Amino acid sequence: QSVLTQPPSASGTPGQKVTISCSGSSSNIGSNYVYWYQQLPGTAPKLLIYRNNQRPSGVPDRFSGSKSGTSASLAISGLRSEDEADYYCAAWDDSLSGVVFGGGTKLTVL
Amino acid sequence: QVQLVESGGGGVQPGRSLRLSCAASGFTFSSYGMHWVRQAPGKGLEWVAVISYDGSNKYYADSVKGRFTISRDKSKNTLYLQMNSLRAEDTAVYYCAKVDLSGEFGILYGMDVWGQGTTVTVSS
Repeated sequence: QSVLTQPPSASGTPGQKVTISCSGSSSNIGSNYVYWYQQLPGTAPKLLIYRNNQRPSGVPDRFSGSKSGTSASLAISGLRSEDEADYYCAAWDDSLSGVVFGGGTKLTVL
Repeated sequence: QVQLVESGGGGVQPGRSLRLSCAASGFTFSSYGMHWVRQAPGKGLEWVAVISYDGSNKYYADSVKGRFTISRDKSKNTLYLQMNSLRAEDTAVYYCAKVDLSGEFGILYGMDVWGQGTTVTVSS
């Protein structure tokens, strides 16, 4: 059971917009930055969004992040087949004194 | 460019020890905290441990506390994870990752760059 809660799966057709949610608590998302990672099959995780809504250079602006209270979300617009991957949210947890991850969301592009 | 390369993984029997290394390059290693994160086969990401930029602060997941030790050598630009009393449930790909922010409060931030991972298999 992960500390951060994500839907296990999400799907969309090419060109659509998909949103993945991440729910936490006051000790993690509510008081610290949220990060999002993309993991393609057989590869290491890659930073997608940092500090709630910042995109690293090289990440398309189709990816965006937001945070409100103890929840965060990742939006992917203009869905493409290469977006098919696992997506994880993460944040520091003040009560646990460590990083907590969501269980991951498997995105399928239909 | 920033690069992290893990090594030291392999097969080991339950109860034995293993030390993982993570060689860092392309950034000022001594300015950034570093994490270890693992992923069991077919499972999600699990945070393992973090060490501050100067090695003065270390935090561990409950699942490894008392068995694993994180450390760093700034002269070698290398991060380590000493794993003792290994269990079958420690079987995973282990990734090292750099924190997003340099300095004292960096460990409260997430990871920006990840290594490619090294596989640890604990089995009799």
